[in-house]
Amino acid sequence: GAVVSQHPSWVICKSGTSVKIECRSLDFQATTMFWYRQFPKQSLMLMATSNEGSKATYEQGVEKDKFLINHASLTLSTLTVTSAHPEDSSFYICSASELGTGETEAFFGQGTRLTVV
Amino acid sequence: GDSVTQMEGPVTLSEEAFLTINCTYTATGYPSLFWYVQYPGEGLQLLLKATKADDKGSNKGFEATYRKETTSFHLEKGSVQVSDSAVYFCALESGGGADGLTFGKGTHLIIQP
Repeated sequence: GAVVSQHPSWVICKSGTSVKIECRSLDFQATTMFWYRQFPKQSLMLMATSNEGSKATYEQGVEKDKFLINHASLTLSTLTVTSAHPEDSSFYICSASELGTGETEAFFGQGTRLTVV
Repeated sequence: GDSVTQMEGPVTLSEEAFLTINCTYTATGYPSLFWYVQYPGEGLQLLLKATKADDKGSNKGFEATYRKETTSFHLEKGSVQVSDSAVYFCALESGGGADGLTFGKGTHLIIQP
């Protein structure tokens, strides 16, 4: 199946700094990528939908100035956690759907474990 | 809004046992239903899916049937192996691919030899 690569797989940062997470579709083009957040023992919660060439659509309760999303090409979307605080520590996962196949299958990255100290 | 409820884990079974992981959903319209699996240290992988009522998804010995009357999509396998140990997520998608997925909390399955 198609491969989605997420980088880094884990990161530790100091409170107040910003962290960028990359999501790449390696062997297909994706007009739409999704960003999820997973708290311990909780389900994955959709944060935002990232569309190539346009502004991201954020779910209710997600601060768009806090979680900056850029989808600059058909193979790359980035999530930047700005001015990170300990409560932003979580597991972040991206997914991408292949362009033009008519399929609804989404391919997932391996996730990024963010720890803010 | 949409929601997915699946049985809490961990679920611990012996090898060759029969597996059922329950999943029920609430959604408007006619969603597509999915089971994803996450092996240790890896990303989510699609295990199987069903896009309309009475469809049966199957893969690697796992099966799930889309039951509209009971709004359920229970995952079953007749004989589990140690290699099936993973976290299993039930999910739905009701936007035709344009929206993200709504996930259950995940069920950690542990298979003992």
